[in-house]
Amino acid sequence: GAVVSQHPSWVICKSGTSVKIECRSLDFQATTMFWYRQFPKQSLMLMATSNEGSKATYEQGVEKDKFLINHASLTLSTLTVTSAHPEDSSFYICSASPPGLVSYEQYFGPGTRLTVT
Amino acid sequence: DAKTTQPTSMDCAEGRAANLPCNHSTISGNEYVYWYRQIHSQGPQYIIHGLKNNETNEMASLIITEDRKSSTLILPHATLRDTAVYYCIVSSPGTASKLTFGTGTRLQVTL
Repeated sequence: GAVVSQHPSWVICKSGTSVKIECRSLDFQATTMFWYRQFPKQSLMLMATSNEGSKATYEQGVEKDKFLINHASLTLSTLTVTSAHPEDSSFYICSASPPGLVSYEQYFGPGTRLTVT
Repeated sequence: DAKTTQPTSMDCAEGRAANLPCNHSTISGNEYVYWYRQIHSQGPQYIIHGLKNNETNEMASLIITEDRKSSTLILPHATLRDTAVYYCIVSSPGTASKLTFGTGTRLQVTL
């Protein structure tokens, strides 16, 4: 199956700093990638849709100036959490769909656990 | 609005079949039924999908009722490694189609 990777797998940062998380599709090109956030014992919540070469589409309630998304190539999307606060501590997961599949099932990265101290 | 309804949790003995139900009474004509699972602290894993016919792959079988208002995911011989949260999602196909995750079913496989 298609492989999506994320880097780093976990990160600890101090309050007020920024953190960048990378999402890569390793064996296919993805014009669209998705970013999710998951708090402990909760389900995944879609944050934004990342579109190659254009601006990301954010879900209602997600601050676009705080969660910066860049999709500069067909295999890489980045999520930057700016001025991180402890409440941003969460599990961040990306996904993408390989082209050419009729039903377009999505493949997910392993996730990045962010802890803000 | 939640598009799917699943039981919160289920138990299954190892080696037995695990049958996970899902109600999706408001599914529209072009929407597929997708199943994903999430093992603790990992990203979700695609399992299977279907439109109206029953489907089977190496991981599971998907039974969709004729009216498409409900479905059942079947793990034929559950193992301890199948312990996970299973999500039933309905979505129209397309690389830009969003997936809306509900609360899922927490399946615990026991010895």
